[in-house]
Amino acid sequence: DVKVTQSSRYLVKRTGEKVFLECVQDMDHENMFWYRQDPGLGLRLIYFSYDVKMKEKGDIPEGYSVSREKKERFSLILESASTNQTSMYLCASIPPPGQGGVYGYTFGSGTRLTVV
Amino acid sequence: GQQLNQSPQSMFIQEGEDVSMNCTSSSIFNTWLWYKQDPGEGPVLLIALYKAGELTSNGRLTAQFGITRKDSFLNISASIPSDVGIYFCAGQTSGSRLTFGEGTQLTVNP
Repeated sequence: DVKVTQSSRYLVKRTGEKVFLECVQDMDHENMFWYRQDPGLGLRLIYFSYDVKMKEKGDIPEGYSVSREKKERFSLILESASTNQTSMYLCASIPPPGQGGVYGYTFGSGTRLTVV
Repeated sequence: GQQLNQSPQSMFIQEGEDVSMNCTSSSIFNTWLWYKQDPGEGPVLLIALYKAGELTSNGRLTAQFGITRKDSFLNISASIPSDVGIYFCAGQTSGSRLTFGEGTQLTVNP
């Protein structure tokens, strides 16, 4: 089974801090995604990447950046954390269409970030 | 961007009852997926649907891909306490990107 590992389950950071959320997958997937999850809003796409050093903005990229230096690792960066970025952050990966037959994401367990 | 409307937002049921939830969209999707998220965990894929009209079962779960390709429903029969969690629908057009519904929070009382 594909494993997607997020480095921290819980984080508490101060307003203005630079925050790094790390995600690693072990199945050589090219496609990786970062979502945030808020009650009543579902999962909203922040950034995604189809290959190393490639990134594309999702629906809510403001205040975030990403880094994909290696295929297995996709990092989400909060340049200057703010209280409205308190949320659950979920990383996911998926093989390209045509591989494996099931077009579903594999999600990590999530990082619950609190900005105070 | 594309949006999915998922209902109901929450459900409180007794153990043994059947559950039904659905998603609708103004856009057509090529694939519909249903996920479940246990408390404190990431979502896990339950069922994937690839063709309009397709009806697929996975144990006590049954899901259908609407004929118009703009909707899908998920039924859970004879609910049990471990069915508790948030259920998400997701639609896919082309490529790998998914659009998610807002989620249905299910509570099952023993």
